[in-house]
Amino acid sequence: DAGVTQSPTHLIKTRGQQVTLRCSPKSGHDTVSWYQQALGQGPQFIFQYYEEEERQRGNFPDRFSGHQFPNYSSELNVNALLLGDSALYLCASSLDQGPYGYTFGSGTRLTVV
Amino acid sequence: DQQVKQNSPSLSVQEGRISILNCDYTNSMFDYFLWYKKYPAEGPTFLISISSIKDKNEDGRFTVFLNKSAKHLSLHIVPSQPGDSAVYFCAASAPDNYGQNFVFGPGTRLSVLP
Repeated sequence: DAGVTQSPTHLIKTRGQQVTLRCSPKSGHDTVSWYQQALGQGPQFIFQYYEEEERQRGNFPDRFSGHQFPNYSSELNVNALLLGDSALYLCASSLDQGPYGYTFGSGTRLTVV
Repeated sequence: DQQVKQNSPSLSVQEGRISILNCDYTNSMFDYFLWYKKYPAEGPTFLISISSIKDKNEDGRFTVFLNKSAKHLSLHIVPSQPGDSAVYFCAASAPDNYGQNFVFGPGTRLSVLP
């Protein structure tokens, strides 16, 4: 049973560019959350998607946007990249009705130069 | 302002001894707490959780204690094994109508020495 799959695993972009990260949730999960983990810090909540809509959002600017597809997979888009966007981006899936807790993917390491 | 704090960035323990990882939180609305373990180049993996209606939850070598009045929880690993060497994140959530949004602490790097 595949867990959460994220692609690509690594990415290098230039300041000002746009990037799209992809996530396939664990089989049976319907909710996808995205987190940003900067070096030496814990993951920070970006947003959560359920039923193809953004349900919750953390303290991130509008440059960060997302999408969830009918098959529950999700994309994270970041526009006008800044050096400070360099981080590990983690996708986590869960079942809306519980049991509580996420299953995380291995992440996408984004480097902005 | 960090709502979930892990004040020890690192901890070293001898194999076979007890590891105690601590976590403090400031938001009194938090009612569910989890510990995640993260190895390099992997995503965090769920370890153990506790609801605010309990003060202890045990799963094999792992026990989590919750002290609501002190807004403090701890993870005990007994006995510690070299494979336990990883970064441990404490996470918390508050109830709402829209599903769970976890707030993570900065993590504690545990090294279990053989």
